[in-house]
Amino acid sequence: GENVEQHPSTLSVQEGDSAVIKCTYSDSASNYFPWYKQELGKRPQLIIDIRSNVGEKKDQRIAVTLNKTAKHFSLHITETQPEDSAVYFCAATPPGFQKLVFGTGTRLLVSP
Amino acid sequence: NAGVTQTPKFQVLKTGQSMTLQCAQDMNHEYMSWYRQDPGMGLRLIHYSVGAGITDQGEVPNGYNVSRSTTEDFPLRLLSAAPSQTSVYFCASRPTGYSNQPQHFGDGTRLSIL
Repeated sequence: GENVEQHPSTLSVQEGDSAVIKCTYSDSASNYFPWYKQELGKRPQLIIDIRSNVGEKKDQRIAVTLNKTAKHFSLHITETQPEDSAVYFCAATPPGFQKLVFGTGTRLLVSP
Repeated sequence: NAGVTQTPKFQVLKTGQSMTLQCAQDMNHEYMSWYRQDPGMGLRLIHYSVGAGITDQGEVPNGYNVSRSTTEDFPLRLLSAAPSQTSVYFCASRPTGYSNQPQHFGDGTRLSIL
C-alpha cells in the first residue's frame, strides 16, 4: 500500500521568510496530493491540493510542486506570517484507492 | 449548512466501557471516514464507507465497529475501551467515492480512557 514520508518534523522561520515542507510517496500510481493545515485544538483544513496531471499549483502565498518521476511533492509558503504557525500534513492516494494516506506532520513556527 | 458534526467533543471512559462516537454530515456526501490522531503519527484511517450499507476497514480497525444505515450518519463504536484508544478522533467526508476529491473534517472528539 501507499506510504508517505514527511520532512522536517519541525520547522522554525522568521516572519517574512519562506518555508518548504517535503513529502515522498511510494506508489507511483498515486494521483491526488492534498495539504492540510491544523491549528492547535482544531480540525485539519485543506489549504491546497494537486492532481498528477499538473506539476505546480499556486494560491496566493502558498504553492505546491509535484515531481512524479522522483515521487515527491512539496509545500512552499512565501512571506510567512505568525498566523501560518500550525501543523501541516501532506497526503496521497492512488486512483480508486479509497484510503487517503497522511504524512506524520510538520510543526511550523513563525516568529515575529 | 453545518458540514461535518461530531459529538461528543470530549469524553472520558473507564477501561472496558463501550461507547459510540457520532458523526453526521449534511452535504449529501457518499464517502465518510474515521481517523484517529496520535502525537507524532499523523492521521490514521480506522474505517470508511463509500455509501449507505457499505463499510470497509482502514489502517487501524481493531477494537472499532462502524455501520452506515443512512447517507448522513456514520457512527464509530468502541466495543471495550482500552487505554491505547486514548486519542483524538476525526470524522471526514467527501463528495463522491472517487479518491481525488478533498475531504472535509469535523471538529473532532477527544477521548481519554482511564
